[in-house]
Amino acid sequence: DAKTTQPPSMDCAEGRAANLPCNHSTISGNEYVYWYRQIHSQGPQYIIHGLKNNETNEMASLIITEDRKSSTLILPHATLRDTAVYYCIVRVYSGYSTLTFGKGTMLLVSP
Amino acid sequence: DTGVSQDPRHKITKRGQNVTFRCDPISEHNRLYWYRQTLGQGPEFLTYFQNEAQLEKSRLLSDRFSAERPKGSFSTLEIQRTEQGDSAMYLCASSLALEASAPGADTQYFGPGTRLTVL
Repeated sequence: DAKTTQPPSMDCAEGRAANLPCNHSTISGNEYVYWYRQIHSQGPQYIIHGLKNNETNEMASLIITEDRKSSTLILPHATLRDTAVYYCIVRVYSGYSTLTFGKGTMLLVSP
Repeated sequence: DTGVSQDPRHKITKRGQNVTFRCDPISEHNRLYWYRQTLGQGPEFLTYFQNEAQLEKSRLLSDRFSAERPKGSFSTLEIQRTEQGDSAMYLCASSLALEASAPGADTQYFGPGTRLTVL
């Protein structure tokens, strides 16, 4: 799977939008972008995934650039419970493929 | 609760002992994955089952590790002769493999993990 680059940490004020960037410049045409997050001492939680179109669900929005070399996860109104490590992962979507986690971005949401 | 469950949540053992962890996937999920996570790192893939067949094992899975998924339902991960380096969080995930063209298929959902401490 292609590798991703994320900032090690970010801060966000409660109630503001959190925009988490991810670079995946070597992504292939058959690879999706997945986002997971992991709250301290819990298992990773699936957030969202996409191929090339922007995606939105009840948790977040995913914006993928036209060249697909980077993406941004947006939490529109961050809360203290959104404090977690956020992982951006690219994986082939055919047959089966495992998730290759990097170190992610530690998002700290403050009051 | 219809999520992935793991038991026990915490295990403390002495070096050299054997330990076994259990994972119950989301009902009807046909794929099951085991990952290991050490402090400060992201999870690392260990092994994968499609139904009852173990189809891939990472080089991280030494011969002291064995995993089973009898009848394609729950899975167990056993570590024999534990070492201090085995101390980690062991995570289980499950997914439902549909047609390859179906979007969203094979999204993996994780359990809460089993924290192993080897003294």
